Amino acid sequence: ETGVTQTPRHLVMGMTNKKSLKCEQHLGHNAMYWYKQSAKKPLELMFVYNFKEQTENNSVPSRFSPECPNSSHLFLHLHTLQPEDSALYLCASSQLPTSGYNEQFFGPGTRLTVL
Amino acid sequence: GDSVTQMEGPVTLSEEAFLTINCTYTATGYPSLFWYVQYPGEGLQLLLKATKADDKGSNKGFEATYRKETTSFHLEKGSVQVSDSAVYFCALNSMDSSYKLIFGSGTRLLVRP
Repeated sequence: ETGVTQTPRHLVMGMTNKKSLKCEQHLGHNAMYWYKQSAKKPLELMFVYNFKEQTENNSVPSRFSPECPNSSHLFLHLHTLQPEDSALYLCASSQLPTSGYNEQFFGPGTRLTVL
Repeated sequence: GDSVTQMEGPVTLSEEAFLTINCTYTATGYPSLFWYVQYPGEGLQLLLKATKADDKGSNKGFEATYRKETTSFHLEKGSVQVSDSAVYFCALNSMDSSYKLIFGSGTRLLVRP
């Protein structure tokens, strides 16, 4: 595997289900991100992890719970979601900037549908 | 705060036409600028970048020049192909936090044979 991988690629769940999204990066990076991409809305940054420590939570509802057990793996645990949470969830990774810019590498995303 | 504004799409072109997708930004200091592309059913891929004023980023026939005087980073390609059909995102690296990328809303490009 190379780059950033995400599983599953597609997920359908009911509002009472609990599921998890998985992201793995094979690039040796030390920062990982979750983004939400909804139709007709800009990309929304949800969470940032820097050396496994969460450094940003952009007012994300508690029904989304991230976990970063090491610098290569990132999870997004989902429970009691709402239909408006249906979206493409993108994971990204980067090497913390040493030269003033932050180039992020994205996974293919998980298409989530909440019924 | 920092922001990126892109032209609204969709942009529809015939194959071999010239492409321009406008992007302007508002930022403090000297941000780095990026164009990402998202093909159908996929995540975002970095297309090109420029890290200082007057830099030109280029890749796969696409180019964009960092214009500080006009705070712009327009994407151009001289001859588009059907395979270029995708959504294009302009983004900047915020100087407020080097972890954040600020994205524009995206411009969908459709190239017809």
